[in-house]
Amino acid sequence: QKEVEQDPGPLSVPEGAIVSLNCTYSNSAFQYFMWYRQYSRKGPELLMYTYSSGNKEDGRFTAQVDKSSKYISLFIRDSQPSDSATYLCAMSGAKGGSEKLVFGKGTKLTVNP
Amino acid sequence: EAQVTQNPRYLITVTGKKLTVTCSQNMNHEYMSWYRQDPGLGLRQIYYSMNVEVTDKGDVPEGYKVSRKEKRNFPLILESPSPNQTSLYFCASSLLSSLGANTEAFFGQGTRLTVV
Repeated sequence: QKEVEQDPGPLSVPEGAIVSLNCTYSNSAFQYFMWYRQYSRKGPELLMYTYSSGNKEDGRFTAQVDKSSKYISLFIRDSQPSDSATYLCAMSGAKGGSEKLVFGKGTKLTVNP
Repeated sequence: EAQVTQNPRYLITVTGKKLTVTCSQNMNHEYMSWYRQDPGLGLRQIYYSMNVEVTDKGDVPEGYKVSRKEKRNFPLILESPSPNQTSLYFCASSLLSSLGANTEAFFGQGTRLTVV
């Protein structure tokens, strides 16, 4: 089983839709969970950062972490064409073996006007 | 402005000709790393550095070297590039949590390398 699994998509939605992006993981030592957005030909940029379980909201974006299920999600409300990008989940744990960032392979999202 | 700067952005070279990709960060981060990104394979870590003069192998270190003589700089060296090293390369610098975990990574804009 891979450490982090992410459906590569592609995912195509109409403007204004609610988008749900997900990752599952196998390492119970992970405590830090991140979502990165990567536009074509650009470097990934940090979108959301969550420590441990729970929800975090930032504007139209909500990140959820369910450590009991080893499942994280990113929701995008009122999606816009400018949200079209590849979304990468990433996670890490404590020093001593799991401190390295482990990335999912990314989900490519297209929001159609 | 907080940033990670990589150079060059694009590079075409021939097999066996040594090259260096530079990386510099202005955030005083201790942790820096290099990744390569290939279609279907995602981001894979090549090398990382926890601090000055401290470097270690990532998941795909073969054919690469790094050095960390100063905190802000972390160059990637390909001593004898081969076509299978054609890829998109990213440098990143990161904050470490109180538990020593790699958390918020800031990425450079990428270097697209083609080895012919």
